[in-house]
Amino acid sequence: DAKTTQPNSMESNEEEPVHLPCNHSTISGTDYIHWYRQLPSQGPEYVIHGLTSNVNNRMASLAIAEDRKSSTLILHRATLRDAAVYYCILGASGTYKYIFGTGTRLKVLA
Amino acid sequence: GAGVSQSPSNKVTEKGKDVELRCDPISGHTALYWYRQRLGQGLEFLIYFQGNSAPDKSGLPSDRFSAERTGESVSTLTIQRTQQEDSAVYLCASSSTGVLSDTQYFGPGTRLTVL
Repeated sequence: DAKTTQPNSMESNEEEPVHLPCNHSTISGTDYIHWYRQLPSQGPEYVIHGLTSNVNNRMASLAIAEDRKSSTLILHRATLRDAAVYYCILGASGTYKYIFGTGTRLKVLA
Repeated sequence: GAGVSQSPSNKVTEKGKDVELRCDPISGHTALYWYRQRLGQGLEFLIYFQGNSAPDKSGLPSDRFSAERTGESVSTLTIQRTQQEDSAVYLCASSSTGVLSDTQYFGPGTRLTVL
């Protein structure tokens, strides 16, 4: 199964951009890259996903490397409410199974 | 509209007892997933339903774990003869079709504590 690797934790100042990296060097050609985040005592919530091209939505941007072996979630202006564990996940082709990595705990400093 | 709901929110049980955890997916969603999250860890896939069939049971940790789903509705995860290592938050998610580009919507989870 293709796996993801993320830093355990990161810190950011409020209202500054945050770049959360994810390595997925064994990704298959049809695996989707999803990002979810989990606030304390809640279930994960969807942030963004993509396949090959960079993606933007109201929450964040997703930059996917040309070889697809890595991606970066970009929060344009971090707020205190963005403090959460961010998971980079591969949608494993042919199995309908999400493979969750360890996640990055983002701390936002006021 | 209503999101994914799970019940109970908390369950404390004694070792060796059976427990049933319930998930109500978003109406109309054909795909349903169960995950387990141990304290301080990421999510571990348990089982996936498409309608009421389970094409992928590969994540169930032992034969003490089973799950069923009624049509495209409620799902129940049953753990028999619970062990202390079963203590975790059990999360349910649903998606509209189950294809990998779909968004999964998660419930708040059931926190299971086995004494």
